[in-house]
Amino acid sequence: DAMVIQNPRYQVTQFGKPVTLSCSQTLNHNVMYWYQQKSSQAPKLLFHYYDKDFNNEADTPDNFQSRRPNTSFCFLDIRSPGLGDAAMYLCATGQGGETQYFGPGTRLLVL
Amino acid sequence: DAKTTQPPSMDCAEGRAANLPCNHSTISGNEYVYWYRQIHSQGPQYIIHGLKNNETNEMASLIITEDRKSSTLILPHATLRDTAVYYCIVRVGVWGAQKLVFGQGTRLTINP
Repeated sequence: DAMVIQNPRYQVTQFGKPVTLSCSQTLNHNVMYWYQQKSSQAPKLLFHYYDKDFNNEADTPDNFQSRRPNTSFCFLDIRSPGLGDAAMYLCATGQGGETQYFGPGTRLLVL
Repeated sequence: DAKTTQPPSMDCAEGRAANLPCNHSTISGNEYVYWYRQIHSQGPQYIIHGLKNNETNEMASLIITEDRKSSTLILPHATLRDTAVYYCIVRVGVWGAQKLVFGQGTRLTINP
């Protein structure tokens, strides 16, 4: 089945130690999104790629970066994780402006 | 900011229809209404979307008022597995930059 895959499902990192979360898709969608969801809050868009074009949300901290080496893969890099970055990170894909489909998420714990 | 308001929580008996309301009084003519749900610790799951007309699929029905200022998601025969947070979202942006701005959603509990 076509799907959005996120690995790992759980990631533990140390305060200040760079961490990368990965997302892959078999849907061949041209848009990939990254959302952050903190405990008991709604998901919040961090940025998205439309093909190779990167689009950052105005309030996304510089600590968060992204890479999209090809259509299928997209990475979220957190350069220096703080305790406040502990959250569920959700990847979603869409074709153009159409329906977004979400992966299962990666829960990040910062020690 | 989210363009929708929803009740924070609702209860429904198993086997009955669950009707989840949503207000979106500032919606623009070309903006769609989307519904997603999120079961605990999982990614949001797409349910249904619509522009003007009522829509139905295998999961639910979406009723949009004629003035488009509100809508209702209907789960016709709720089961315990429908317990989740339901998000009503107005999709904003232009082609290629569509955004889903999530509000706080409605926590729906299905009771046996």
